[in-house]
Amino acid sequence: DVKVTQSSRYLVKRTGEKVFLECVQDMDHENMFWYRQDPGLGLRLIYFSYDVKMKEKGDIPEGYSVSREKKERFSLILESASTNQTSMYLCASRKGANEKLLFGSGTQLSVL
Amino acid sequence: DAKTTQPNSMESNEEEPVHLPCNHSTISGTDYIHWYRQLPSQGPEYVIHGLTSNVNNRMASLAIAEDRKSSTLILHRATLRDAAVYYCILTYGGSQGNLIFGKGTKLSVKP
Repeated sequence: DVKVTQSSRYLVKRTGEKVFLECVQDMDHENMFWYRQDPGLGLRLIYFSYDVKMKEKGDIPEGYSVSREKKERFSLILESASTNQTSMYLCASRKGANEKLLFGSGTQLSVL
Repeated sequence: DAKTTQPNSMESNEEEPVHLPCNHSTISGTDYIHWYRQLPSQGPEYVIHGLTSNVNNRMASLAIAEDRKSSTLILHRATLRDAAVYYCILTYGGSQGNLIFGKGTKLSVKP
């Protein structure tokens, strides 16, 4: 089965820690996305990448950075985690514009 | 960015058809209309998408208005497993544009 894999289902970190969320896809997709989802706010786009080493800011990039050194892997980095970054993080990928998005199962991050 | 408007919630009875509306009055000529759904504790999953013509697949049908300012996702026979949040989003044709999800419609299905 083709899939998008997120490295952790649940993660607990301390305020100020550097946090890495990893996402891997095995479908040779060009585009990859990071969203966060909070109750009552829906999915909000943090960053996306349309090719290796390319990245674009989404709606809420503050406090986050990303890395895409290889086509199959898109990493989300919280440089100094804060409690307001406690959220469900969802990674997605697609072959190209107007193709369907495939989502991972999500990582529930708690920052204490 | 083109936005979509959906009702916050809808209810349906099991085994009856469900019509989920979406308004996108600022859609541009190259925007595709996508629908996704999210079951509890899962990531969103693709349902269907289209540009101008109505579309059918094994999960649902997509009816697109002639002026493309609105669309309707049709579930032909709702089951309890269809209870989910349904998102209508637009993708920018021919570009690497981002995808903006709204809050979606929470569909409840009663036995």
